[in-house]
Amino acid sequence: KQEVTQIPAALSVPEGENLVLNCSFTDSAIYNLQWFRQDPGKGLTSLLLIQSSQREQTSGRLNASLDKSSGRSTLYIAASQPGDSATYLCGGGSEKLVFGKGTKLTVNP
Amino acid sequence: GAGVSQTPSNKVTEKGKYVELRCDPISGHTALYWYRQSLGQGPEFLIYFQGTGAADDSGLPNDRFFAVRPEGSVSTLKIQRTERGDSAVYLCASSLQSGRSYNEQFFGPGTRLTVL
Repeated sequence: KQEVTQIPAALSVPEGENLVLNCSFTDSAIYNLQWFRQDPGKGLTSLLLIQSSQREQTSGRLNASLDKSSGRSTLYIAASQPGDSATYLCGGGSEKLVFGKGTKLTVNP
Repeated sequence: GAGVSQTPSNKVTEKGKYVELRCDPISGHTALYWYRQSLGQGPEFLIYFQGTGAADDSGLPNDRFFAVRPEGSVSTLKIQRTERGDSAVYLCASSLQSGRSYNEQFFGPGTRLTVL
């Protein structure tokens, strides 16, 4: 059974800092790995999808990597801004996604 | 274009009542997923449709939960004899097609269900 763990559970940083969020999974047979952000009381917004044949994806200040052999994915956020404050979730799988509990990020002005 | 929509946004019901939650996927998306999210947790998978058929319903917690997608577009999640433990946010997602290469899922805003 796939289990996904996200570390840290919460993170508070000053504006402008570069940061890394971690996601680990127990089953290396994961096919897709998707990173989302969730604002309070809202649904999930897709940030990046890494397909099985890929090792990383980039979108603006975001970069996500996937290492299936070690069961890890990281989300790198460059030059963080207060607007980046949200909960970040990773989900992995093929059809259905298995999610971690998320990392709550606070970027302080 | 329009994203995934869900109605109602909030539903308050009494224990033992029946509820229906609706999901309108992105137009042209053949795969539709239901998840449930409790406070402080990540979403948990409930059921997934490919077209009109339920391809995987392994996440439904018991037989009080049922979902349909009769025309391959809109889906309804039905919960009978609601219990307080059913209180959660119910999320719907859709993707362009199932199959492993095109599975980016797009989520709706969710329905917050409260069972009193």
